[in-house]
Amino acid sequence: NAGVTQTPKFQVLKTGQSMTLQCAQDMNHEYMSWYRQDPGMGLRLIHYSVGAGITDQGEVPNGYNVSRSTTEDFPLRLLSAAPSQTSVYFCASSPAWTGVLEQYFGPGTRLTVT
Amino acid sequence: AQSVTQLDSQVPVFEEAPVELRCNYSSSVSVYLFWYVQYPNQGLQLLLKYLSGSTLVKGINGFEAEFNKSQTSFHLRKPSVHISDTAEYFCAVSDGGSQGNLIFGKGTKLSVKP
Repeated sequence: NAGVTQTPKFQVLKTGQSMTLQCAQDMNHEYMSWYRQDPGMGLRLIHYSVGAGITDQGEVPNGYNVSRSTTEDFPLRLLSAAPSQTSVYFCASSPAWTGVLEQYFGPGTRLTVT
Repeated sequence: AQSVTQLDSQVPVFEEAPVELRCNYSSSVSVYLFWYVQYPNQGLQLLLKYLSGSTLVKGINGFEAEFNKSQTSFHLRKPSVHISDTAEYFCAVSDGGSQGNLIFGKGTKLSVKP
């Protein structure tokens, strides 16, 4: 199993550009989530999904969109990037029956918005 | 709302010395508590978790944590650290049991010196 994979590893965007951060898992996990990590802030939940077709907002959802058309993939979209979205983004997944008790994290995407 | 406070942002320690990383949480209900480790340029890895039962929880890499309900604390300890333990450590609490979301502390950077 590859586990949780994220692409790209690094990305630089200009203000106003759009892009999609990809997250995929091959463990057939129902639960997937996106976090952002900022220095001195820990991780904060952006959006999460409990299964295909079901998404919900976390603590800091503004400026981000998600969809979940398959169990494997959970992309995060930035429609109009802003410097405040410069951060490291982590995707995580877990089986539905364990929920947050057994989350597996991807390696992260480092995004810089200039 | 639940919150997590990690009392030290940085902890320097010499190799083979004991270490304690402090974590306090606020909650009026039963909680699930977690410690994660993040090595440089990597994702998060679960060290240990407290769900119920014995208040002393043992995790990977020789770490352990003690749940103290009266002091709302969940401090992480290791009796003898190695250079390879240099990493950032995050305490987290679930805001809704296994099906809730994780609320993270701001992290503690452990620096082990020879």
